[in-house]
Amino acid sequence: EVQLVESGGGAVRPGGSLRLSCAASGLNFDDYGMSWVRQAPGKGLEWVAGINWNGDSTGYADSVKGRFIISRDNAKNSLYLQMDSLRAEDTALYHCAKYGSGSFLYFYYYIDVWGKGTTVTVSS
Amino acid sequence: EIVLTQSPGTLSLSPGERATFSCRASQRVGSSYLAWYQQRPGQAPRLLIYGASTRATGIPDRFSGSGSGTVFTLTISRLEPEDFAVYYCQQYGSSPSITFGQGTRLEIK
Repeated sequence: EVQLVESGGGAVRPGGSLRLSCAASGLNFDDYGMSWVRQAPGKGLEWVAGINWNGDSTGYADSVKGRFIISRDNAKNSLYLQMDSLRAEDTALYHCAKYGSGSFLYFYYYIDVWGKGTTVTVSS
Repeated sequence: EIVLTQSPGTLSLSPGERATFSCRASQRVGSSYLAWYQQRPGQAPRLLIYGASTRATGIPDRFSGSGSGTVFTLTISRLEPEDFAVYYCQQYGSSPSITFGQGTRLEIK
């Protein structure tokens, strides 16, 4: 069974930084593109960033471009999201998400496995 | 960026009835790269349909997807109690981003 477990969330002041991690198990990690998707309290889903199998192709939502960086370490079966210059509107539950079969070249695809998420709160 | 508009915002039905969800795209979705997800309260989303009409592994055949171009539909043929949740569509056919619809809430009438 594929499992994705996020960590690294917490409370931070506006302008601060956080680094989210996602530990993947039960899969050949480097066969798949991966992404981060967030959900603000009581709101819908928002794609944040995606990365292809080896990290040489990445994409970002306009709302986070220039502030967030997605990366991966295939040797550690891990996905990361470095979040800088955080704003109140970044407050959300952040899900690590695995793309479906055939996704290894792409940073955007459908998502077939979701982690439970880690909560980020940006507040003064 | 492709904008997805879901309708209705809320659907009120009874178990055993048929549910139909609509997802309209602001531009053509290439190669019918359209997926549907179900999200129950307090849970992560679950993939139901990808490629507009292909059921994901383990999804009951009462769930079906159809459509192409800019108009897509998710149908639940006969509602079970566990189907009452929020449903999202998502397009993945247009680089450089993925977009989700705003969601349709299916509630018990």
